[in-house]
Amino acid sequence: NAGVTQTPKFQVLKTGQSMTLQCAQDMNHNSMYWYRQDPGMGLRLIYYSASEGTTDKGEVPNGYNVSRLNKREFSLRLESAAPSQTSVYFCATRDATNEKLFFGSGTQLSVL
Amino acid sequence: AQSVTQLDSQVPVFEEAPVELRCNYSSSVSVYLFWYVQYPNQGLQLLLKYLSGSTLVKGINGFEAEFNKSQTSFHLRKPSVHISDTAEYFCAVSDFRNFNKFYFGSGTKLNVKP
Repeated sequence: NAGVTQTPKFQVLKTGQSMTLQCAQDMNHNSMYWYRQDPGMGLRLIYYSASEGTTDKGEVPNGYNVSRLNKREFSLRLESAAPSQTSVYFCATRDATNEKLFFGSGTQLSVL
Repeated sequence: AQSVTQLDSQVPVFEEAPVELRCNYSSSVSVYLFWYVQYPNQGLQLLLKYLSGSTLVKGINGFEAEFNKSQTSFHLRKPSVHISDTAEYFCAVSDFRNFNKFYFGSGTKLNVKP
């Protein structure tokens, strides 16, 4: 049982480049999330998807887009990367029966 | 909007000593409260949660937390820590208006020394 799988684990981009972070889950959860983690700031919610076909902005959505392709997959896209987007990105799902979040292992992104 | 404040960014403690990690939140409505732990180079894992009922909540690895509504606090405690408890701990809150929005504190790094 893989849980929440994120790819890639590491990525280095140049300013202005674009990329998509992939997330897939096999737990049949409706809700999926993208967070970024920065030192001293904890986790901040970028976007979330309450169910297939819906997405909503979180605390820090600027510079990002998301796509809930199906129930399993939720991708995060940076159209034109900026150094301020250097961070560790986590995908998560929510088990609505007990309010527990399940996290992927993270993507470390550096924008030069 | 919710906010979560973790008052200590780092807590050094000797092995077998007790520890308390502090968390305060602000909310005008009823909330759910959580503590998550992050070991190096890993995602977060749930330690314990308060949804309703008894205000003293017990979690994994001997941790417990107490919900204090009047002080809007949810402090995490362990009576005797181990080296393996060295990690970063995050307090989080969600509320009844939107269960999908979880707000996290800035984290507390617990460093257990031998």
